[in-house]
Amino acid sequence: AQSVAQPEDQVNVAEGNPLTVKCTYSVSGNPYLFWYVQYPNRGLQFLLKYITGDNLVKGSYGFEAEFNKSQTSFHLKKPSALVSDSALYFCAVRDSGSGNTPLVFGKGTRLSVIA
Amino acid sequence: EAGVTQFPSHSVIEKGQTVTLRCDPISGHDNLYWYRRVMGKEIKFLLHFVKESKQDESGMPNNRFLAERTGGTYSTLKVQPAELEDSGVYFCASSQDSRYTGELFFGEGSRLTVL
Repeated sequence: AQSVAQPEDQVNVAEGNPLTVKCTYSVSGNPYLFWYVQYPNRGLQFLLKYITGDNLVKGSYGFEAEFNKSQTSFHLKKPSALVSDSALYFCAVRDSGSGNTPLVFGKGTRLSVIA
Repeated sequence: EAGVTQFPSHSVIEKGQTVTLRCDPISGHDNLYWYRRVMGKEIKFLLHFVKESKQDESGMPNNRFLAERTGGTYSTLKVQPAELEDSGVYFCASSQDSRYTGELFFGEGSRLTVL
């Protein structure tokens, strides 16, 4: 079975500092990995994905994530946080070898960037 | 281009009543998904339509939930009779890509509160 763990409910970071939002996953085959962001009163928006190739993936708004197969992780990072990055972040995974199985989401991590 | 729209944005009903949620996907998107998030928990998959056909309904909690997508356009999700544990935010998403490597486009969600 596929699963995603986001170990932190809340991450606080000062504006201008680097940020990391953690995600680990479990699949039986190779993973397709995604990050989505939800701003207040909005729907989830796609940030970036890892399907294959380069382990470092760059996405929207200056975010990037690194796929680490040995640690089964896909942490979201940004070199310099902005107050406008404050939102709820969801990691999601799908097993590439499991046919048409749905995307499995984590419980979300609330990022708060303090000015 | 209009995004995914959901109605109502918030519904408060009493236990035993019926509620119908509606989702209008992005025009031309054959794939339509329903997800649900109970407060603080994971976003859980409910079901997946391809056009008007149910591709996967493995996430539907029980037979009190009925989803339809007549004509392959908008979809409705009916809960009858509603129970307290049905409270949460119901998200609809659509995609053109059915290969499961593409991004999903989400609506803002319908918040259901069952008293």
